Amino acid sequence: AQKVTQAQTEISVVEKEDVTLDCVYETRDTTYYLFWYKQPPSGELVFLIRRNSFDEQNEISGRYSWNFQKSTSSFNFTITASQVVDSAVYFCALSPNYGGATNKLIFGTGTLLAVQP
Amino acid sequence: EAQVTQNPRYLITVTGKKLTVTCSQNMNHEYMSWYRQDPGLGLRQIYYSMNVEVTDKGDVPEGYKVSRKEKRNFPLILESPSPNQTSLYFCASSLQGSAYNEQFFGPGTRLTVL
Repeated sequence: AQKVTQAQTEISVVEKEDVTLDCVYETRDTTYYLFWYKQPPSGELVFLIRRNSFDEQNEISGRYSWNFQKSTSSFNFTITASQVVDSAVYFCALSPNYGGATNKLIFGTGTLLAVQP
Repeated sequence: EAQVTQNPRYLITVTGKKLTVTCSQNMNHEYMSWYRQDPGLGLRQIYYSMNVEVTDKGDVPEGYKVSRKEKRNFPLILESPSPNQTSLYFCASSLQGSAYNEQFFGPGTRLTVL
């Protein structure tokens, strides 16, 4: 089965707190891609990161960091020193290799992050 | 500016009244697809197209049609909309159909079927 699980439906933090959004995936493919998207209240999808299955290095971009662990099939996202502008729904997604076809994205159900001032 | 556009952005309609949501990309992408977003379900793929005149079903194709007569356009057609098709719809495109290619999303179309 190809599946993405975001067990945290909603998270509420106070500004400047660190917060980690969990993502667990299932796939039978050895080559795949993982993504995080942000959906602010305005509704558009904002691409945050893409990681391929061969690259397990953690990545940091400003206040954002991602921890990819193949052994636990997880691709967690941490926001350091959260800000009100981080309030959004965050989606984790999987793009299985499917032998190179379809480029289908399998999304998790999303985590609503509310950052209180 | 490279982009995916959708029209309309908001639509309220009634059951059974045929409608079309347009999607256009200016990046000469081969692959295009439609997703719907529903609360608690995330985004699910409706249809996709690997290239002109090549379309196939995604996970939730019932009640929808698509066509790909030109490379840049991929309209989503609801022949007889029903209230369970009330949703937020996203069009996406990528250079090719392999998982390697990043998908670019349109701004979304919020559809309400009464």
